Amino acid sequence: EPEVTQTPSHQVTQMGQEVILRCVPISNHLYFYWYRQILGQKVEFLVSFYNNEISEKSEIFDDQFSVERPDGSNFTLKIRSTKLEDSAMYFCASSEASGRNEQYFGPGTRLTVT
Amino acid sequence: AQTVTQSQPEMSVQEAETVTLSCTYDTSENNYYLFWYKQPPSRQMILVIRQEAYKQQNATENRFSVNFQKAAKSFSLKISDSQLGDTAMYFCAFMKTPGTYKYIFGTGTRLKVLA
Repeated sequence: EPEVTQTPSHQVTQMGQEVILRCVPISNHLYFYWYRQILGQKVEFLVSFYNNEISEKSEIFDDQFSVERPDGSNFTLKIRSTKLEDSAMYFCASSEASGRNEQYFGPGTRLTVT
Repeated sequence: AQTVTQSQPEMSVQEAETVTLSCTYDTSENNYYLFWYKQPPSRQMILVIRQEAYKQQNATENRFSVNFQKAAKSFSLKISDSQLGDTAMYFCAFMKTPGTYKYIFGTGTRLKVLA
């Protein structure tokens, strides 16, 4: 069965550094999402992406964040200058078409900012 | 803004018994979907069950069923004949439609099935 994959599984970075989290959504899916979960807290929506543009972003998704679908298969989340509070589990998700189709989640990337 | 509340941080159940996980939500929307996702330890979230708000009939998937009370804004998950493999974190999620189809999650309930 097709799966959403994410790399790396764990990333450690120093405060102020740039990180890129990578996701490969399921191949025929059209809607893409990033969520994050700070340890012990709820999973929070960051951004949704459709037709090569952001369709919605949360207030968390400030100018330090960007997303890209560089080659038709990967979907990336970039954090330009990481802060300690960016430490979290980041989940990528994709869905086939309109909203009635459920989202399929990747296993997550644990980002640790030191 | 929509909110989702899961009031049970942790629960346990004996193997083969039945357990019910609670979820309440707050919204002024009339059209939406509700989901339960399961996240086993160190693995990705997978969909357990989905409910469309316009459907009065409660969704069922094998041993999993929901009690959807639209007026009360309640969406509980019942797991019958619990199995050790049901041990996981369970998240309730809300999605309005139409829209950008983002999920609003609850804080999760950690379920442990005891042998």
